[in-house]
Amino acid sequence: DQQVKQNSPSLSVQEGRISILNCDYTNSMFDYFLWYKKYPAEGPTFLISISSIKDKNEDGRFTVFLNKSAKHLSLHIVPSQPGDSAVYFCAAITSYSGAGSYQLTFGKGTKLSVIP
Amino acid sequence: SQTIHQWPATLVQPVGSPLSLECTVEGTSNPNLYWYRQAAGRGLQLLFYSVGIGQISSEVPQNLSASRPQDRQFILSSKKLLLSDSGFYLCAWSVRPSGANVLTFGAGSRLTVL
Repeated sequence: DQQVKQNSPSLSVQEGRISILNCDYTNSMFDYFLWYKKYPAEGPTFLISISSIKDKNEDGRFTVFLNKSAKHLSLHIVPSQPGDSAVYFCAAITSYSGAGSYQLTFGKGTKLSVIP
Repeated sequence: SQTIHQWPATLVQPVGSPLSLECTVEGTSNPNLYWYRQAAGRGLQLLFYSVGIGQISSEVPQNLSASRPQDRQFILSSKKLLLSDSGFYLCAWSVRPSGANVLTFGAGSRLTVL
């Protein structure tokens, strides 16, 4: 059972336009969400995160929106640049799980291509 | 500052051969350590995590194993590789409390089993 879903495996956007990457989750215990960006043959790098007590977090060109009632989050990139072309992973965690470790649940990723 | 090293970066192994991937973290103490695998079309799958020396938790049944002989060293092993073990293996670390970024990943190891 996939608890974090990224239903679009790929997305193409023109340079300068907005990129919107979507993510849905099913586990209502998730309370912290992250986006990671991954270039080919490299490890994922942290991009932006949001706590469930917020509905928006912004960092430069990147904004993450969280809709808890819909169990949906999205990453907006404005304006999109060719260097943004990468695979974007959505991830979620239950921060108070008490397991003693951070176990992120990842989506399958969306490959973003920004066309010059 | 903290850094994570993972090696080898690329590995081509025949079916049935052993495997050893190594990961070390610098600049932090008592980190949580993780092994993830990215297989084609399957996203990032957690294989093992460790909250301390000698403590290993396995998330999926498989012919892989992990060990943590030292605080900042995490090793992924197999006695006999299968074709299905091919993939991109990622080591990661985290510390509580971690702030905004929960996991920091290494550069990854590309394993091809022939």
